[in-house]
Order: sequence, then structure tokens, then C-alpha cells
Amino acid sequence: AQSVTQPDIHITVSEGASLELRCNYSYGATPYLFWYVQSPGQGLQLLLKYFSGDTLVQGIKGFEAEFKRSQSSFNLRKPSVHWSDAAEYFCAVGPRNTGFQKLVFGTGTRLLVSP
Amino acid sequence: GAGVSQSPRYKVAKRGQDVALRCDPISGHVSLFWYQQALGQGPEFLTYFQNEAQLDKSGLPSDRFFAERPEGSVSTLKIQRTQQEDSAVYLCASSLARSGEKLFFGSGTQLSVL
Repeated sequence: AQSVTQPDIHITVSEGASLELRCNYSYGATPYLFWYVQSPGQGLQLLLKYFSGDTLVQGIKGFEAEFKRSQSSFNLRKPSVHWSDAAEYFCAVGPRNTGFQKLVFGTGTRLLVSP
Repeated sequence: GAGVSQSPRYKVAKRGQDVALRCDPISGHVSLFWYQQALGQGPEFLTYFQNEAQLDKSGLPSDRFFAERPEGSVSTLKIQRTQQEDSAVYLCASSLARSGEKLFFGSGTQLSVL
């Protein structure tokens, strides 16, 4: 069965510093890949997605992610973190054979931003 | 409405009580999804509708869980004879397409079963 691993439960980054959140997936074929962000009291918001093509994907709020097939990874990056980026980030995969209707989410990484 | 609306925002139920959670998707969105998010976990898929048809209910944990979307718009997730392990945040999401390409999530209903 497919699974998603986000090895970091919490990450603290200084404001203005760069950020990388890790995501590894286990699946027989390359699934569709997503990153969602969840702010307190808010619903999840899609940051970016990868279906095919260019392995470096640009998203909203200055985020990007790189798909690496050889490492089964889809890490999220941002060059300069803002205090408003403090939130919980979820990586998700969607099996291609279901039209990504049934997403499998990781357990999330909580980002804390220090002044 | 501007986004996916879920009600109630919080629900406290005594063990054994039935509950009904409502989801108002974005107008015109064809697909509707329910996810369950336990404390400290990522969301887990429960069920999926395309218009009024429930195409996948493989994630419903037991036959105490039932979801409907009779007119292809508002959806209700019903849990009968609630148990403590049902305590979680229940998230509803909708999508314009027939797929989950871009999901718009509601803020969720936090269910606490005492």
C-alpha cells in the first residue's frame, strides 16, 4: 500500500532563513504529489502539485518542491521564511489509477518561525 | 459561498449518541470528499462523491459511519452510536473537477466523544 513519510514532526526556522521540509513516498508507480498547508483554525490549502514534466514545481506563497524519482522524494523548499509561514505542512500522494481521488497524507510537519 | 463551509465547528457527544456533520461545498463543485484527522495525524480518506453518487466509501471505518449527498450539493456525514475512538476532526473538501486535482477544504468539525 502507498504511504507517505514526513520524518520531521517539528522544525524551527529563523525568519528570513531558508526552509526545506522532507517528504518520502512509497508507491509502485510515480503517483501524483501534493503539498498542503494548514494554519490554525483553517482548512488545508494547496501549495503546489506535481503530475508530470518539469521536476521542479513552483507554488503559491513563494514555495517550490522538487520531485526526485530515484529517492522517492518530494521535498518542499522556500528560500526565505516569513513569520506568517508558521503552520502545519502536509505532503500527500494520489494514486494515478484512481485519478487521485483518494489522497494519502503524511503525518505533517509543524513549522515554527523564530524572530 | 466563498469557501467550503462545515457545521457545527465543534461537537461534543456522549458515547452512544448519534451525530450528523454538515458540509456545504463551493457552489458548482462536482466532487466532494470527507476526511478524518485524528490528533497529531494527517487526514485520512473516508468517502468520495461525484455529484450525488457515492463512488468510493472504502475509508469509512465501520458501518456506523454513513454519508450522503442527495441533491449533489450539501453532504452530511452521520455517525451512529459514537465511540471514543471516533473523536477527531472531520474535514470536508470539494473540487470543481471530477478528480481530486485541487481540493478546497473546509475548517472541519471537531468531534469529541465523552
